[in-house]
Amino acid sequence: DGGITQSPKYLFRKEGQNVTLSCEQNLNHDAMYWYRQDPGQGLRLIYYSQIVNDFQKGDIAEGYSVSREKKESFPLTVTSAQKNPTAFYLCASSIPSNPAYGYTFGSGTRLTVV
Amino acid sequence: AQKITQTQPGMFVQEKEAVTLDCTYDTSDPSYGLFWYKQPSSGEMIFLIYQGSYDQQNATEGRYSLNFQKARKSANLVISASQLGDSAMYFCAMREGGTGNQFYFGTGTSLTVIP
Repeated sequence: DGGITQSPKYLFRKEGQNVTLSCEQNLNHDAMYWYRQDPGQGLRLIYYSQIVNDFQKGDIAEGYSVSREKKESFPLTVTSAQKNPTAFYLCASSIPSNPAYGYTFGSGTRLTVV
Repeated sequence: AQKITQTQPGMFVQEKEAVTLDCTYDTSDPSYGLFWYKQPSSGEMIFLIYQGSYDQQNATEGRYSLNFQKARKSANLVISASQLGDSAMYFCAMREGGTGNQFYFGTGTSLTVIP
């Protein structure tokens, strides 16, 4: 079955550590996205990529980094520069530039700073 | 200006009753898509229904229907015969044809179904 796999489901980070969240898709989608969701809030765009080796900052990119070396993979690194990283992170993929095509989401990663 | 506005932070509905979740949108692009997603407490985002800007009829998917009023820029979700499993967050989203690169999400409505 095609879909998006996010791992791990739960992640704990110590102060000052970098952590990487995995996102893999086998839908052959060109576009991939990372969103952050705080409790009771909507989704905020961190980064997105429409093609391999290219990505753009979203609304809240500071303290995060991404790479897109393969079409299937779009890992997100939460760096020590992100002062408040505790949140729920959702990865999504889609066909770019098609308003009739929705997002397919992963099941999310809950990151907690300890 | 907000692209997607959901004005109901929380809603309650009696089991088996119908409920309408409001969504208004703002765009000057003639080609766009409107989407509703459900997010249960487990966190995954579940696609519910889609409406295209050129669609003449309101979209329906089982117990879900989208009340599309283009002139009002309104895309309300109607859930008929509510079930306890409908308790969740609901997000309205829009994708424009011109850019098409990302979705614009509303802030969500928390629906609670009362037995």
